[in-house]
Amino acid sequence: DAGVIQSPRHEVTEMGQEVTLRCKPISGHNSLFWYRQTMMRGLELLIYFNNNVPIDDSGMPEDRFSAKMPNASFSTLKIQPSEPRDSAVYFCASRPGGAKNIQYFGAGTRLSVL
Amino acid sequence: TQLLEQSPQFLSIQEGENLTVYCNSSSVFSSLQWYRQEPGEGPVLLVTVVTGGEVKKLKRLTFQFGDARKDSSLHITAAQPGDTGLYLCRGGNEKLTFGTGTRLTIIP
Repeated sequence: DAGVIQSPRHEVTEMGQEVTLRCKPISGHNSLFWYRQTMMRGLELLIYFNNNVPIDDSGMPEDRFSAKMPNASFSTLKIQPSEPRDSAVYFCASRPGGAKNIQYFGAGTRLSVL
Repeated sequence: TQLLEQSPQFLSIQEGENLTVYCNSSSVFSSLQWYRQEPGEGPVLLVTVVTGGEVKKLKRLTFQFGDARKDSSLHITAAQPGDTGLYLCRGGNEKLTFGTGTRLTIIP
């Protein structure tokens, strides 16, 4: 299996621009998680989905952030408009059904907002 | 959100030495996990501990879950450069935030 695939690996954009991060979970996994990692705050859970349905988005920092999962094999995290404080590494993880404690992470997208 | 504190934040030691890093919380966990993250990669699960007082070994790594299930430790024996990375602990619940981690560097 190819694992969780995230794209792009790196994104550099200017303040005010829209940014879309993409994630393809491991086939057959039914939960998907979006995290943000910074030196100051560590790894923070932003939102997670079960069977394509958002379950908890309380970690989403503000209305500029939105996430969708239109089908079992694809999810997006969008930031509009982006701000310099959004600069971080964004990770997607997926989990197989029935395996409460196991998450498999992608390699992340490093976002720099100038 | 339940908080997880890890210590030390940074640790740099010589190859061959032993070390212990810690994960603490005021909350009780049903289970706790340790992950290792290498530069440019996502975290990779090392172990899950479930029972208070449980000890699990993974080659030179020994994981212990506190009796009260509020804390955990990771002990590495005879550290090697390949052990370098960010070690993260996490409670066994989607709502829990990962600890800020211990950044470990093993000097050859």
